[in-house]
Amino acid sequence: DAGVIQSPRHEVTEMGQEVTLRCKPISGHDYLFWYRQTMMRGLELLIYFNNNVPIDDSGMPEDRFSAKMPNASFSTLKIQPSEPRDSAVYFCASMIARDTYGYTFGSGTRLTVV
Amino acid sequence: GDSVTQMEGPVTLSEEAFLTINCTYTATGYPSLFWYVQYPGEGLQLLLKATKADDKGSNKGFEATYRKETTSFHLEKGSVQVSDSAVYFCALKGSSNTGKLIFGQGTTLQVKP
Repeated sequence: DAGVIQSPRHEVTEMGQEVTLRCKPISGHDYLFWYRQTMMRGLELLIYFNNNVPIDDSGMPEDRFSAKMPNASFSTLKIQPSEPRDSAVYFCASMIARDTYGYTFGSGTRLTVV
Repeated sequence: GDSVTQMEGPVTLSEEAFLTINCTYTATGYPSLFWYVQYPGEGLQLLLKATKADDKGSNKGFEATYRKETTSFHLEKGSVQVSDSAVYFCALKGSSNTGKLIFGQGTTLQVKP
């Protein structure tokens, strides 16, 4: 199993541009989570899905952020327009509810907005 | 609501020293408890877990025991190595079955040769 795959690994963009982060969860996992990690705020849950349906998006910082999961094998997190304060590492994680192994995280996307 | 509190870092130890990272939790019912480790430039990886009271999770020389009476899940290792330098996160999965893990704020461990 290739694990949770995120792309790109690094993204540098200019303020005001649209950014799209991608995630492929582990096949068969029915939960998908998007996290943001910064030195100042630590690890923050942005949104999570169960069976492709958004369950809780209360962590999405503002309307500039949106996330979709069109099918069980793909999810996107979009920021439009991007701002320098969005610079962070964004992690995707997936989980299968019926076992107790918790999450499997991807390697993350390091986003820098200049 | 459910919450996890970890000891403040950073923790700096010499190689072969004994490690304890404290973790306490607040939760209703019977949560499952986890320790994750994050090495520099990588995502979080599951280190060990315990799903019921008095269970001991262990992996790579690390151990943690689920203590319901003290609501704790402290991480220990008898002899740390430089390669153990990382950030360690305690987490719980509540019994409400939302699927969501609640993470502590993370504790940075630096091991010096």
